[in-house]
Amino acid sequence: QKEVEQNSGPLSVPEGAIASLNCTYSDRGSQSFFWYRQYSGKSPELIMSIYSNGDKEDGRFTAQLNKASQYVSLLIRDSQPSDSATYLCAVKLGNQFYFGTGTSLTVIP
Amino acid sequence: EADIYQTPRYLVIGTGKKITLECSQTMGHDKMYWYQQDPGMELHLIHYSYGVNSTEKGDLSSESTVSRIRTEHFPLTLESARPSHTSQYLCASSEYGAGQVGEQYFGPGTRLTVT
Repeated sequence: QKEVEQNSGPLSVPEGAIASLNCTYSDRGSQSFFWYRQYSGKSPELIMSIYSNGDKEDGRFTAQLNKASQYVSLLIRDSQPSDSATYLCAVKLGNQFYFGTGTSLTVIP
Repeated sequence: EADIYQTPRYLVIGTGKKITLECSQTMGHDKMYWYQQDPGMELHLIHYSYGVNSTEKGDLSSESTVSRIRTEHFPLTLESARPSHTSQYLCASSEYGAGQVGEQYFGPGTRLTVT
């Protein structure tokens, strides 16, 4: 069983809509949770981190964490074509980070 | 400006050559990591370091070695490059300490092609 599971997509949403990305993790000892955006051919860029149950908002992005369900999500409001990328979910367990395979998001103008 | 630097950004070399991929960070982080990522695929941890003179192997054995003589510098060496080493190599660093979230930041990557 992989540490981090994501739906690979692709996920397509129209411009201005809300994009919802989901992630589950297997180890209840996971401490911190992260969302990265990765454009094709580029390195991952950190967009959100969360470590407490509940919601964390930063601009158009909201991360949601439910430790009981071992579930992390990312909502992107007012999606823009520039949000089209692969979104990686990552968890920190001890001193190591475990990444999902990523969800490909396309925002259609 | 705090950042992570990788050189070279692109490299094409022949089979059997020895190469070193450079990574430096001015983030002030103790922990550093090397990942390998093929296009459209997940990241695989190759090596990591908790601090000076500390190095550990990750899940992916890529016949490479690392060193950590200075906090800010974490080079990766391939003793004998093979076509199977063709990939993108990503260096990252994260903060250290109890209670810290431990956000990890990536450098721009080195795209390696072995012919």
